[in-house]
Amino acid sequence: ELKVEQNPLFLSMQEGKNYTIYCNYSTTSDRLYWYRQDPGKSLESLFVLLSNGAVKQEGRLMASLDTKARLSTLHITAAVHDLSATYFCAVAPGTYKYIFGTGTRLKVLA
Amino acid sequence: DAGVIQSPRHEVTEMGQEVTLRCKPISGHDYLFWYRQTMMRGLELLIYFNNNVPIDDSGMPEDRFSAKMPNASFSTLKIQPSEPRDSAVYFCASSENRGYYEQYFGPGTRLTVT
Repeated sequence: ELKVEQNPLFLSMQEGKNYTIYCNYSTTSDRLYWYRQDPGKSLESLFVLLSNGAVKQEGRLMASLDTKARLSTLHITAAVHDLSATYFCAVAPGTYKYIFGTGTRLKVLA
Repeated sequence: DAGVIQSPRHEVTEMGQEVTLRCKPISGHDYLFWYRQTMMRGLELLIYFNNNVPIDDSGMPEDRFSAKMPNASFSTLKIQPSEPRDSAVYFCASSENRGYYEQYFGPGTRLTVT
């Protein structure tokens, strides 16, 4: 069974600090996605990672992909309150279906 | 583009009633997905369509759930009869059959079954 695990599940951090969210998956996947969900809202696409070693950055967020280790990371630099949300990774193992991770609920404290 | 449109945004119904959720995908998108999100089970894919044809309905929890896509711009998810455990947020998403196959999500329908 394909599993996508994220850790931590909950993360409370101070503004200005750095932290990393991890996404492990159990089988090969052509693509990996990161989404953001604000409370009571829909999912918003952040990044699409397509190949081993891919790195993408947007503002204070940087995502990377290691297909050999079946690991993606979402690194947060100098967190600000506006980054508080739940972050999901998703893999697409050769099909159009996504398998979503458990989500990481991030709270940035002022 | 208006994005994926879902209606209603909120639905409160009594156990045993029929519930119909609606979705309009982004124009030109070939794929349409229905998801359910709960605290306990996270995001679950229920069913997806390609060019209006159901491709994989293995995530549909039971026969009380059915989904249709009569044309490229409209899909429904029906629950009959509804039960309290069906209470969740139901998302519709659509994607193109090219590029990154990125899924774009609608605002969701929050369903409460009492």
